[in-house]
Amino acid sequence: DVKVTQSSRYLVKRTGEKVFLECVQDMDHENMFWYRQDPGLGLRLIYFSYDVKMKEKGDIPEGYSVSREKKERFSLILESASTNQTSMYLCASSSGTSGQNYEQYFGPGTRLTVT
Amino acid sequence: RKEVEQDPGPFNVPEGATVAFNCTYSNSASQSFFWYRQDCRKEPKLLMSVYSSGNEDGRFTAQLNRASQYISLLIRDSKLSDSATYLCVVNNYGQNFVFGPGTRLSVLP
Repeated sequence: DVKVTQSSRYLVKRTGEKVFLECVQDMDHENMFWYRQDPGLGLRLIYFSYDVKMKEKGDIPEGYSVSREKKERFSLILESASTNQTSMYLCASSSGTSGQNYEQYFGPGTRLTVT
Repeated sequence: RKEVEQDPGPFNVPEGATVAFNCTYSNSASQSFFWYRQDCRKEPKLLMSVYSSGNEDGRFTAQLNRASQYISLLIRDSKLSDSATYLCVVNNYGQNFVFGPGTRLSVLP
């Protein structure tokens, strides 16, 4: 079974703090993704990566950055947390070469509250 | 217009009912299609991929109509455990996945 793990299920941070969300997958997937999910807005893509050290902006990258130093690990960084970044953050991975993607597998999510 | 649109629901149906969800997508170049299920406060999980010829998995049937850019999911003999939000997902070749807003289903005893 594909396993995608996230470093924390619940996280509370203060405004202005730097926040790291870690995601690890164990299936040697090329592609990894970070989403946030908010009521009424659905899943929105923040950043994704098709390879080590490679990143692409999604629909809402402002206020976030990412790092992919190893194939199995994709980190999301909130440079200076703000209250409007309170959300559920979901990491996903998928296999796929030559641009073709297969289904995504999600981690359990991190519910981040910024106070 | 949003790239992927779904009936918002909620759909409240009795056990044993048949229920159908619709999804439309705007990018004619879309290549792969999926239905995901998401339980309350849990992550989305793949329910089934959707193939051009249509496919069935037990009580679930998915259909794809490329000409109309339309995907459907049919659930027969609904169970209480089918209560969840169903997400339509579209993937464009070489691009990322686009999620619909989801349709909430409540199966009532």
